[in-house]
Amino acid sequence: QLQLQESGPGLVKPSETLSLTCTVSGGSISSDTSYWGWVRQPPGKGLEWIGSRHYSGSTAYNPSLTNRVTVSVDTSKTQFSLKLRFVTAADTAIYYCARLGYCSSASCYVSNWGQGALVTVSS
Amino acid sequence: EIVLTQSPATLSLSPGERATLSCRTSQSVDSYLAWYQQKPGQAPRLLIYDASNRATGIPARFSGSGSGTDFTLTISSLEPEDFAVYYCQQRSNWLTFGGGTKVEIK
Repeated sequence: QLQLQESGPGLVKPSETLSLTCTVSGGSISSDTSYWGWVRQPPGKGLEWIGSRHYSGSTAYNPSLTNRVTVSVDTSKTQFSLKLRFVTAADTAIYYCARLGYCSSASCYVSNWGQGALVTVSS
Repeated sequence: EIVLTQSPATLSLSPGERATLSCRTSQSVDSYLAWYQQKPGQAPRLLIYDASNRATGIPARFSGSGSGTDFTLTISSLEPEDFAVYYCQQRSNWLTFGGGTKVEIK
């Protein structure tokens, strides 16, 4: 059974970079049919897709975040990561790592979710 | 960006009743629409993909329908564990989610 686990700091200062890692177990990160990505949810609010990456390098980002975000995949460590630069309080959210499937190019559904990691942006 | 509008925002029903949730998209997404269930303190769970296909392990009381811009999630007879927030999501053009419908106990 595929499992995803987020890790990283729970508190980030404004203007700094938010960095999270997701460790994949129980499945292959080199799957041709999967993308690996991130979805966030501000406390008490809805869901927002951040970005996704295929192990081969194909990448897609939310247009509203594309100039601040990088998603990378490390097949040797079966991990993928998120970097979000120049954060503000508006970036405070639960960050879910995700396996995305049923894809047409990089447009997918979220088939597996991590448990989520709360990241607070505050000085 | 394709905007998804879910209605109603809150649905108050009793166990055993039928729930009908709506998702409308700002432009056609063909059948590229999914539904998720989220319980408090948990990650969402995929219920339905491509408008009408149940994901693995999802009970038959959950069904999806629609195409183009209008979609429906139906729960035929609510079980106690079905009271949760439901989100729709399109994959026709990147990924966007609706604002959610909360199904609460009446």
